[in-house]
Amino acid sequence: EPEVTQTPSHQVTQMGQEVILRCVPISNHLYFYWYRQILGQKVEFLVSFYNNEISEKSEIFDDQFSVERPDGSNFTLKIRSTKLEDSAMYFCASSYGLGASGRAGHEQFFGPGTRLTVL
Amino acid sequence: AQSVTQLDSQVPVFEEAPVELRCNYSSSVSVYLFWYVQYPNQGLQLLLKYLSGSTLVKGINGFEAEFNKSQTSFHLRKPSVHISDTAEYFCAVSRTFSYNQGGKLIFGQGTELSVKP
Repeated sequence: EPEVTQTPSHQVTQMGQEVILRCVPISNHLYFYWYRQILGQKVEFLVSFYNNEISEKSEIFDDQFSVERPDGSNFTLKIRSTKLEDSAMYFCASSYGLGASGRAGHEQFFGPGTRLTVL
Repeated sequence: AQSVTQLDSQVPVFEEAPVELRCNYSSSVSVYLFWYVQYPNQGLQLLLKYLSGSTLVKGINGFEAEFNKSQTSFHLRKPSVHISDTAEYFCAVSRTFSYNQGGKLIFGQGTELSVKP
């Protein structure tokens, strides 16, 4: 069964450093998402990406964040200068979009997450 | 804008007992509704979804949920739980899908289900 994969599983970095979190979405999916979950809090939407551009972003997704699909398989989240409050679990998700029925492809499949620890 | 409230942060229950995890949502537009489960140190797995049609939705692992539009609720139920159901459960809502924007999910705070022998 196809699945979303994420690397690394755990990233430790110093405050102010740049980090890149990597995701490989399911191959025929068209929509890609990043979410984050700070310890003990709810899962929060960061950004959605479609047709090689950001389609929607939240208030959290400020200038420190960027996303990229550098090739046909990877989807990355970059944090330019990490802060302590960026420590969280980051989830990548993908979906096909609207299927032939108009709705079938709407399900988002999540990766296992990358735990980012900023010291 | 949409929002989701999960009324219980923790639900302890004995094995083979029934369980209901409550979820209420708020939205000014039509929505899709989802329940996800997160086992320890794992990602989010879809349990079930309501897109349209029958208000009683059946999912994996014997779970079901009922969409109640008048009460804006989407409670998750299982008639008999197992130890292996111990996990965090998240209710989520998205507006109906848009080609340009996709369907971002808005999650509730989560309910920790603890099944005891």
